Amino acid sequence: AAGVIQSPRHLIKEKRETATLKCYPIPRHDTVYWYQQGPGQDPQFLISFYEKMQSDKGSIPDRFSAQQFSDYHSELNMSSLELGDSALYFCASSPGRNTEAFFGQGTRLTVV
Amino acid sequence: EDQVTQSPEALRLQEGESSSLNCSYTVSGLRGLFWYRQDPGKGPEFLFTLYSAGEEKEKERLKATLTKKESFLHITAPKPEDSATYLCAVQASRGQNFVFGPGTRLSVLP
Repeated sequence: AAGVIQSPRHLIKEKRETATLKCYPIPRHDTVYWYQQGPGQDPQFLISFYEKMQSDKGSIPDRFSAQQFSDYHSELNMSSLELGDSALYFCASSPGRNTEAFFGQGTRLTVV
Repeated sequence: EDQVTQSPEALRLQEGESSSLNCSYTVSGLRGLFWYRQDPGKGPEFLFTLYSAGEEKEKERLKATLTKKESFLHITAPKPEDSATYLCAVQASRGQNFVFGPGTRLSVLP
């Protein structure tokens, strides 16, 4: 079965650089979530989209932005990167707003 | 504010030794409670969704139950391959995001 695809899987950036993470949801899933998970921590909600519109916002820094495109893929843009942004970034998709979400394998971002 | 706590933080079992993991939650209007399994460096893998008190779901050696304040994940006769972190998450009726608990790190020794 098709799963959520994230790219790249690993990314190394220097402080103050920008990064773009991509997410391709499961076909026919209309809802996308972005989560950040630091070492030994639980996933923290950043932002979500339903039918290409932002639907909920969590603890996403102002330096980050995201959007969902007409083909339902989503991108998380991160600027002025800081060392503390180093984490695993997960994208998840669901076939509706009231049902379980399926997670991708994540992008490991390392800021040096 | 929606909150999820899980206990124990870590659990070591011998192969075949059954046990239960607890997830306690505070949420204004529960839309759903979700259990995930996460292996190191990988994305959470969906296990179960529970929507109302009294509901139970089963899958192989795992069984999830739900009350008005907590959920249990029962593991019967675990095997070493069940070793992982088990995450509980809730979705409130007013929002869309999933609020995760800190997880229980399960180790099953052969």
